[in-house]
Amino acid sequence: LAKTTQPISMDSYEGQEVNITCSHNNIATNDYITWYQQFPSQGPRFIIQGYKTKVTNEVASLFIPADRKSSTLSLPRVSLSDTAVYYCLVGDLRHGSSNTGKLIFGQGTTLQVKP
Amino acid sequence: DTAVSQTPKYLVTQMGNDKSIKCEQNLGHDTMYWYKQDSKKFLKIMFSYNNKELIINETVPNRFSPKSPDKAHLNLHINSLELGDSAVYFCASSLPTGETQYFGPGTRLLVL
Repeated sequence: LAKTTQPISMDSYEGQEVNITCSHNNIATNDYITWYQQFPSQGPRFIIQGYKTKVTNEVASLFIPADRKSSTLSLPRVSLSDTAVYYCLVGDLRHGSSNTGKLIFGQGTTLQVKP
Repeated sequence: DTAVSQTPKYLVTQMGNDKSIKCEQNLGHDTMYWYKQDSKKFLKIMFSYNNKELIINETVPNRFSPKSPDKAHLNLHINSLELGDSAVYFCASSLPTGETQYFGPGTRLLVL
């Protein structure tokens, strides 16, 4: 299963755009890239998911280069409430695969947003 | 309307005791999971059930035994609790492809 590497921590200020990059050099053909957010004392929450190129939703954008060996989560104009741990994961979503649903969480990136 | 709920939220117990954590989801999902998050915040999958059938069983001591009475429930029973079992345990559920997992609020277990 593909392993991910991301910065342990990042600091930002309110209103700034934050980009968190994740490396997944041995990503497999059937793997999707997913990002989760975890606030203190809560369970992780799904943010965004993609396979290649760019995906955007109401919360964030996900940029994936052609080789898929890395991905960047972009949070536009962060606020104090975006302070959390952000996890990058790769996983096989094929129905019936023995690895389906087997999310491997890394250490995550602790984002601290300052006023 | 809690999607994934766990009870209890906090659990403090002595070494050697047996305890259970319950999980219920009202999302209609077929697949449920148990994760363990240690003090360093690493979140590691323990088990996965699809429609009451065990799908994923990571290297977990056999003191941990999941039980799925129906596809909306996945309980975790732990025998002979040890100090190292102290952690936050999260239950989650998803569609069979696992593309979006919905996590419960966690159960904070402290073994003394």
